[in-house]
Formats: sequence, structure tokens, C-alpha cells
Amino acid sequence: DAGVIQSPRHEVTEMGQEVTLRCKPISGHNSLFWYRQTMMRGLELLIYFNNNVPIDDSGMPEDRFSAKMPNASFSTLKIQPSEPRDSAVYFCASTQRRENQPQHFGDGTRLSIL
Amino acid sequence: GESVGLHLPTLSVQEGDNSIINCAYSNSASDYFIWYKQESGKGPQFIIDIRSNMDKRQGQRVTVLLNKTVKHLSLQIAATQPGDSAVYFCAERDTGGSYIPTFGRGTSLIVHP
Repeated sequence: DAGVIQSPRHEVTEMGQEVTLRCKPISGHNSLFWYRQTMMRGLELLIYFNNNVPIDDSGMPEDRFSAKMPNASFSTLKIQPSEPRDSAVYFCASTQRRENQPQHFGDGTRLSIL
Repeated sequence: GESVGLHLPTLSVQEGDNSIINCAYSNSASDYFIWYKQESGKGPQFIIDIRSNMDKRQGQRVTVLLNKTVKHLSLQIAATQPGDSAVYFCAERDTGGSYIPTFGRGTSLIVHP
């Protein structure tokens, strides 16, 4: 079975540019999560969706960040405009929202804003 | 154990030894616990989980122990191999509450051949 698929794996861009990260969750999973990981702050939850609906976006750092899930098999995380402090690894995870089901993570997008 | 500050705690072991990675959790209402392994350049990978109605669960070469009295979780890896070198995270979840797991900061395991 294919796991969570994220693209691109690496992104290097200049500050001020728009960045779009993409995620395809595991088929059949109905919850999707976006995380950011840095050495300073560890793994931080940015936003999560249930059945394609955003439930909690309190972790989104600023209005420059937005996320969408137009259908059950695709989600995007957008940063506009990007800043150097946004540099991090961004992970997408999905799960079947039932008791005792773990999240399954993609391999992340390593984002560097110059 | 969990990290304090910017540096991950590190456990160094020799190949073939048994490893024990510890995790203290904070929410007494948490009833589901998960261990993840994260290798360099990859996302966290599910290893094993345990519900609060159990105090021990075994997988292949791994055992998770749960002590709810002191809110402590441990991951034991038998006959540690170089391929086990990674950062290990514990996560806790209150399935009757917010549903969102809380992740620890991680422990770095280094296995020397």
C-alpha cells in the first residue's frame, strides 16, 4: 500500500515567494494533519482536517499560512509571502479517525527560504 | 527521557545490546500511547502502540511498558542493530478529549557496530 505522499521533497526559494506544499493521504483515511518540525520547537501541529473540513487551525502561525483540502485525496499548505523563519520540515499525516488508530506520516518537505 | 531545552537526549549503545527509551507524559486522561521512529530525512514511522487498559505490549524485538501511576512509558528494543539508530518519539492521546496526539521531543538512539 502507498503511504502518505508529499511533494516536493525539497524546496528552496527566496523570501517573498509563494510556496505550495502538497499531500496525498492514505486512501480511506478521513483525517489529515499538517505539522512543522524544527530543532528549536520539535513537531508542531499546524492544522487538521476531518472529512475534508478544517477542524482546528490554531497552530497556523500567521495569516501567511493557509491550508485546503478540496477532496479526500489531496491537501495543500500554502505560505504567501514566505519568510526565512518559515524554513523547516513540513509533514503531512493521515489516519482513520477511530479510537486507537495511529497517524501515518509522509516523508516531509524540507523547505528553505533564503 | 523527554528533552529539556534545545538538545535531544541521546542514548548510545553497542550493537546487540538491549535499549530502553523512556518517556514521561503529562495528561492523566491520556488513554492511548504510540511510539514512532524517525530516521534521518524521513517522517516518523509507527512502531507500536498501547492502550491504557494494558501495561505491556510486545512486537517484533520491541516491547512497550506503560506505568499509569507515574505516567511513564518506555520502549525496549532487544538486540539493538545499527538500523535502529534514529530519533524515537512517544505520543499520548486522550481519545475521549481533543483526539489530537501530543508528541514528546524525542530521544536520539545511536547504535555502535
